[in-house]
Amino acid sequence: GQQVMQIPQYQHVQEGEDFTTYCNSSTTLSNIQWYKQRPGGHPVFLIQLVKSGEVKKQKRLTFQFGEAKKNSSLHITATQTTDVGTYFCAGFFMTTDSWGKLQFGAGTQVVVTP
Amino acid sequence: EPEVTQTPSHQVTQMGQEVILRCVPISNHLYFYWYRQILGQKVEFLVSFYNNEISEKSEIFDDQFSVERPDGSNFTLKIRSTKLEDSAMYFCASSIRGQSEAFFGQGTRLTVV
Repeated sequence: GQQVMQIPQYQHVQEGEDFTTYCNSSTTLSNIQWYKQRPGGHPVFLIQLVKSGEVKKQKRLTFQFGEAKKNSSLHITATQTTDVGTYFCAGFFMTTDSWGKLQFGAGTQVVVTP
Repeated sequence: EPEVTQTPSHQVTQMGQEVILRCVPISNHLYFYWYRQILGQKVEFLVSFYNNEISEKSEIFDDQFSVERPDGSNFTLKIRSTKLEDSAMYFCASSIRGQSEAFFGQGTRLTVV
């Protein structure tokens, strides 16, 4: 089936360190989105990547979309305690008969130690 | 800032009872979704809805589930006969275009006892 895999499931980071979370799909994605969910909260949209090889930055966050549009990554530099939460990638699969479904990865839960 | 509103925030129901979860999407949005999240787990796609019909549904969305847009503002999820395993946080989301960013509501926590 159409699934989005995400690793690692859990990331424990010291404040100031960098980390990366990775997302992979078995089939080509139309686009990929990244969301952040704080503990007890709801998913909040961060960014969308559409083009093959696209790279976007938001302050300390760098998002990449693979050349084959099957993988993506989120890299956070100089982690802060405000980065705590679960980061989800979510992909739209290319289907011919509908506008698709937004399928979420399992998420990377990030814990930051001061 | 416009937001997706969900009611109630918490619903407790007995096994076998019907529940209706309500959502008011952002007013100019045309694409709607329901997701569920069991505590600490992934956000699972249930159904997408556009132009008054279901666009896609997952294998979770069986005959016990239905969605409706009864008027121009509400979007509801009905579970006909709840099971214990239906206990989860249910999120409604909407987007202005197909495949664009989704705005999520605060969720309804459903507890089936």
